[in-house]
Amino acid sequence: ELKVEQNPLFLSMQEGKNYTIYCNYSTTSDRLYWYRQDPGKSLESLFVLLSNGAVKQEGRLMASLDTKARLSTLHITAAVHDLSATYFCAGARGSRLTFGEGTQLTVNP
Amino acid sequence: SAVISQKPSRDICQRGTSLTIQCQVDSQVTMMFWYRQQPGQSLTLIATANQGSEATYESGFVIDKFPISRPNLTFSTLTVSNMSPEDSSIYLCSVRDRDSFGQFFGPGTRLTVL
Repeated sequence: ELKVEQNPLFLSMQEGKNYTIYCNYSTTSDRLYWYRQDPGKSLESLFVLLSNGAVKQEGRLMASLDTKARLSTLHITAAVHDLSATYFCAGARGSRLTFGEGTQLTVNP
Repeated sequence: SAVISQKPSRDICQRGTSLTIQCQVDSQVTMMFWYRQQPGQSLTLIATANQGSEATYESGFVIDKFPISRPNLTFSTLTVSNMSPEDSSIYLCSVRDRDSFGQFFGPGTRLTVL
């Protein structure tokens, strides 16, 4: 059974700072997803990582995947208030996604 | 990416009643998924709905409680039966893009059971 753990679960950071959210998973995962969820909203797809060493970047967010370490990271560069949201990672076995607990990010001015 | 719509967007229901949630996709997809997000929690897969066959339910979810229909490749319904306050959650429909492997979610149905 695939288990996914994120840390930290809560992150408060200042604008302009950098930080990384970690996503560990317990067994082989076919794909690794990152999502953003704003309060009261659905999930917005950020990245899907398909292979070892994959790195994807969009704006201030960069995601990477290390399948040997069973670890994905979401790096935030020079945070801005608009990035405040909850971020989820999810591992995939076949068609099934298993989600981490989510990281609630607050970016303070 | 696929455009997914859900109806209703929210509802308040009485204990013991049932609610059917609709999910419509703007393109044909083989598999559709139903997830639940309990208040302040992460997402949990309820079942996978394939067109032309019975849905596949995850551990802890049963057909009598969450019957699913999948009449064609663009539409599915999830019914939450004999509701109790513990069923208060957001229910989300999801599809996967076979070309990009992206998996996308509908806007969700926010259900409150009194």
